Amino acid sequence: GAVVSQHPSWVICKSGTSVKIECRSLDFQATTMFWYRQFPKQSLMLMATSNEGSKATYEQGVEKDKFLINHASLTLSTLTVTSAHPEDSSFYICSARDSLGANSPLHFGNGTRLTVT
Amino acid sequence: AQSVTQLGSHVSVSEGALVLLRCNYSSSVPPYLFWYVQYPNQGLQLLLKYTTGATLVKGINGFEAEFKKSETSFHLTKPSAHMSDAAEYFCAVSGDWDSNYQLIWGAGTKLIIKP
Repeated sequence: GAVVSQHPSWVICKSGTSVKIECRSLDFQATTMFWYRQFPKQSLMLMATSNEGSKATYEQGVEKDKFLINHASLTLSTLTVTSAHPEDSSFYICSARDSLGANSPLHFGNGTRLTVT
Repeated sequence: AQSVTQLGSHVSVSEGALVLLRCNYSSSVPPYLFWYVQYPNQGLQLLLKYTTGATLVKGINGFEAEFKKSETSFHLTKPSAHMSDAAEYFCAVSGDWDSNYQLIWGAGTKLIIKP
């Protein structure tokens, strides 16, 4: 149980275009999802916390207008990278919990490798 | 505030040898601790977690970790390394309720298995 599906697994886009990444909880409802960015050989960097039915909470230094997050249902959150530039190339990962509480582990999608040319 | 320190960005062991990946944490409240594994170009998979109770926790793939409060440590071990264990390993501690209990991550340790 507790499967998180992320799509696409990789995407190549041209500079200036927008890319949408989907994160779905397949067998549980997730009121909160987390979006991470991971640079090569580095740890996870939390970008934002996505809350169903309300605005996402962005971490300091993350541009809200650049990285649009929508959490329209209890099983789907999307991250849209708008007007992408080569420096946005990275590995993006979403995660969610299947139950509330600090002792509940995060379940991760398989990530999306974004390359902006 | 919580924090996690993983000692050693790279650890290299021979196949069949003991694996020891170190994790120390800082937390103002009783911690909930996690170890995750990441294979190349994939998301993270939970190996094991400590919440309460028994301080020695067993996880998947033969890994285990021991919570030592006095040492603020949660080191990950495996008696005999296998080639398939080569991956990146992350230790994490739960943050506070006001952060939606987001995980605070260590920098990661890359485990290299020598044949």
